[in-house]
Amino acid sequence: EPEVTQTPSHQVTQMGQEVILRCVPISNHLYFYWYRQILGQKVEFLVSFYNNEISEKSEIFDDQFSVERPDGSNFTLKIRSTKLEDSAMYFCASLDRGYETQYFGPGTRLLVL
Amino acid sequence: QKEVEQDPGPLSVPEGAIVSLNCTYSNSAFQYFMWYRQYSRKGPELLMYTYSSGNKEDGRFTAQVDKSSKYISLFIRDSQPSDSATYLCAMSQFSGGYQKVTFGTGTKLQVIP
Repeated sequence: EPEVTQTPSHQVTQMGQEVILRCVPISNHLYFYWYRQILGQKVEFLVSFYNNEISEKSEIFDDQFSVERPDGSNFTLKIRSTKLEDSAMYFCASLDRGYETQYFGPGTRLLVL
Repeated sequence: QKEVEQDPGPLSVPEGAIVSLNCTYSNSAFQYFMWYRQYSRKGPELLMYTYSSGNKEDGRFTAQVDKSSKYISLFIRDSQPSDSATYLCAMSQFSGGYQKVTFGTGTKLQVIP
């Protein structure tokens, strides 16, 4: 069964450093998403991406965040200057043309020290 | 009022019990109603989704949607210790041609052998 994959599974970084989280969505999906889940809290929407541009972003997705689809398979989330409060699980999700449901990757656990 | 309300639990039940998990919502624009299961430190795994009011059954799981009351439920029959996880309700709407998903906080379920 096709699945969304994410790398790395864990990332530890120093405050102020840049991190890039990578996702490979399901191959025929067209809509891509990033979510964040701070430990013990709800899953929060960050950004949606379609046709090589951002469709919508939440108030969390400020100027330190960016997304890119550099090739036909990868979808990345970049955090330019990480803060302690960026420590969370980051989930990528993708959706096919049928507008049914999003399928989530296993997540990247980011720890900012 | 939050868009999606879900009792965080925890909910402890003996093995074999019927489990009832519920969410309420306030946004009438929600069109799809999903239940995800999330094991500790893992990504959300789609269990079931429904589009309209009524029941949908899949094995031991039954999802129920009552749009008039803005209330959704997930029933688990013959609960097993392996069902111990956090269950997230999620609801989606379409805005500008793309899907936006809003999650509940999740209910932590423990099934005791």
